[in-house]
Amino acid sequence: EIVMTQSPATLSVSPGEGATLSCRASQSVAGNLAWYQQKPGQAPRLLIHGASTRATGIPARFSGSGSGTEFTLTISRLQSEDFAVYYCQQYNDWPPITFGQGTRLEIK
Amino acid sequence: QVQLVESGGGVVQPGRSLRLSCRVSGFTLNNYGIHWVRQAPGKGLEWVAMITSDGSGKFYADSVKGRFTISRDNSENTLYLEMNSLRSEDRAVYYCARDSGYRYRWGFSDYWGRGTLVTVSS
Repeated sequence: EIVMTQSPATLSVSPGEGATLSCRASQSVAGNLAWYQQKPGQAPRLLIHGASTRATGIPARFSGSGSGTEFTLTISRLQSEDFAVYYCQQYNDWPPITFGQGTRLEIK
Repeated sequence: QVQLVESGGGVVQPGRSLRLSCRVSGFTLNNYGIHWVRQAPGKGLEWVAMITSDGSGKFYADSVKGRFTISRDNSENTLYLEMNSLRSEDRAVYYCARDSGYRYRWGFSDYWGRGTLVTVSS
């Protein structure tokens, strides 16, 4: 099973600033990495797939990068609606599909 | 528009069974695989199971293998998750989610339902 590790667990950032979230895989997942955003009481929302391809309707301030075992989600010019929990997920080698434990992005 | 609506959650005693349903609309179900993903209160996401678009492939997490069964009725636009021998650790919100692959199992999900809560308690 591929273990996904996200860091940091919590990130405090002021609105208007940028944020960088990290995700590491225990073995290579090539570019088969997705990012999701989840707000309290809501279902996850797909942001990025293929490590760097934005899903339909996702603003350009969200960008993903990386391959192999190291991945990054960058959010520029944070808006109030961006404060949420973010999960990475690998789909290179499954089952099982595995998620990171999440990074909580909170307002500073 | 694409919608997935889960139902069937509730309170059940340990060792008992429960069947969840996921009714879909806005797309042709037999063209897409469907995942079940759960989230324990205050915890992260855990993949549970997946069924391919034609129903020929069924995949399970080790934590539920042998206890949970995924199935689909394309004519009713509905997916099912039959959960047997429920344990306290199965307590979670259960989401159904569409695999993004058209007649192909990618492994990531582009549309999710709002979830249904399962509580296992005596």
